[in-house]
Amino acid sequence: AQSVTQPDIHITVSEGASLELRCNYSYGATPYLFWYVQSPGQGLQLLLKYFSGDTLVQGIKGFEAEFKRSQSSFNLRKPSVHWSDAAEYFCAVGSDSNYQLIWGAGTKLIIKP
Amino acid sequence: NAGVTQTPKFQVLKTGQSMTLQCAQDMNHEYMSWYRQDPGMGLRLIHYSVGAGITDQGEVPNGYNVSRSTTEDFPLRLLSAAPSQTSVYFCASSGLAVYEQYFGPGTRLTVT
Repeated sequence: AQSVTQPDIHITVSEGASLELRCNYSYGATPYLFWYVQSPGQGLQLLLKYFSGDTLVQGIKGFEAEFKRSQSSFNLRKPSVHWSDAAEYFCAVGSDSNYQLIWGAGTKLIIKP
Repeated sequence: NAGVTQTPKFQVLKTGQSMTLQCAQDMNHEYMSWYRQDPGMGLRLIHYSVGAGITDQGEVPNGYNVSRSTTEDFPLRLLSAAPSQTSVYFCASSGLAVYEQYFGPGTRLTVT
């Protein structure tokens, strides 16, 4: 069965430092992969997506993610975080059975001033 | 263009009461979904719909009913509320890019 693992429940990063959030998936074929962000008290917003082609994808708010098939990973990165990036980040994979998303448990990003 | 709207934003119910969470979208999206979000568990799919008149169960459907009589609306009914249904509920919709979901602001439900 398809699944998504986000190993880190919380990540604390200093403002201006670089960020990498980990995501691992289990899926036999080439997956459709997504990162969503949830600001406090808000719904989720799509950050970026990978369907095929270039394995490094750019998203909104200066985020990027790299698909690595050999590692079954789709890690999210940002070179320099801002206090406004404090949020919860969810990785998801598209289900091949019902066009729904299978979600990771989320990683809460805390920004130190 | 309001996107996906949900009402109410907050609700407190007593055990055994029933209620309907409302969800509407104005983007003419065919796909709509209901999720619940609990700490440390991410989003879990309750029910979803691929078009008016068509609904199906997700991962955690027990205790919830849905219907989809129009493209715009997808209400979620709690039949007999239980404390285990205390959660934040999100409605989402998507169009031709089925995995690119647009989320409503959520309903925070407490069952006492």
